[in-house]
Amino acid sequence: SAVISQKPSRDICQRGTSLTIQCQVDSQVTMMFWYRQQPGQSLTLIATANQGSEATYESGFVIDKFPISRPNLTFSTLTVSNMSPEDSSIYLCSVGLADNEQFFGPGTRLTVL
Amino acid sequence: QKEVEQDPGPLSVPEGAIVSLNCTYSNSAFQYFMWYRQYSRKGPELLMYTYSSGNKEDGRFTAQVDKSSKYISLFIRDSQPSDSATYLCAMKAGGGNKLTFGTGTQLKVEL
Repeated sequence: SAVISQKPSRDICQRGTSLTIQCQVDSQVTMMFWYRQQPGQSLTLIATANQGSEATYESGFVIDKFPISRPNLTFSTLTVSNMSPEDSSIYLCSVGLADNEQFFGPGTRLTVL
Repeated sequence: QKEVEQDPGPLSVPEGAIVSLNCTYSNSAFQYFMWYRQYSRKGPELLMYTYSSGNKEDGRFTAQVDKSSKYISLFIRDSQPSDSATYLCAMKAGGGNKLTFGTGTQLKVEL
């Protein structure tokens, strides 16, 4: 398994602002992912964070709204840009290990007013 | 229709009961099946991971996959109050990394 930390754990933000969420892993991993968990809905993959190249986004998610950085094999950031109340959600990073298992961080709880 | 269907509950059982949690799916490409446990205000924790059809047991937990029926189950024996959490099923196609989740079933085990 892997130990994953996220910062901040929670935040309350104003409409129109941006928030950057950090994800740190205790070991080098090839695959890192960002998910969103909205109340009453399934965990949904936003994008795969690729080290050294642009992130790969899922349908319905775009780079301008959710820019992602992956500067090395232990760290990634997700920015939620120009926020609206609809962006209120829990954002989770996860890492994929060689045996196809994915492990999740504790999440960042975001409220947009 | 969602790719993965899961009864949201809540499901309330007495301590010591056998719990059965289930998901159905529509995508026949799914080959990897997982169950995650999520406590309130925490991230999902991987409980069980199975490949293709069959059973897998780990302590009080048994995961079953029936690919012919597109149906997976998680059984919890001798349930404890500490098992109270939301249980998420997740699935993945071979050759890909994307996990597709159910909405989760909220379980409460009462003393």
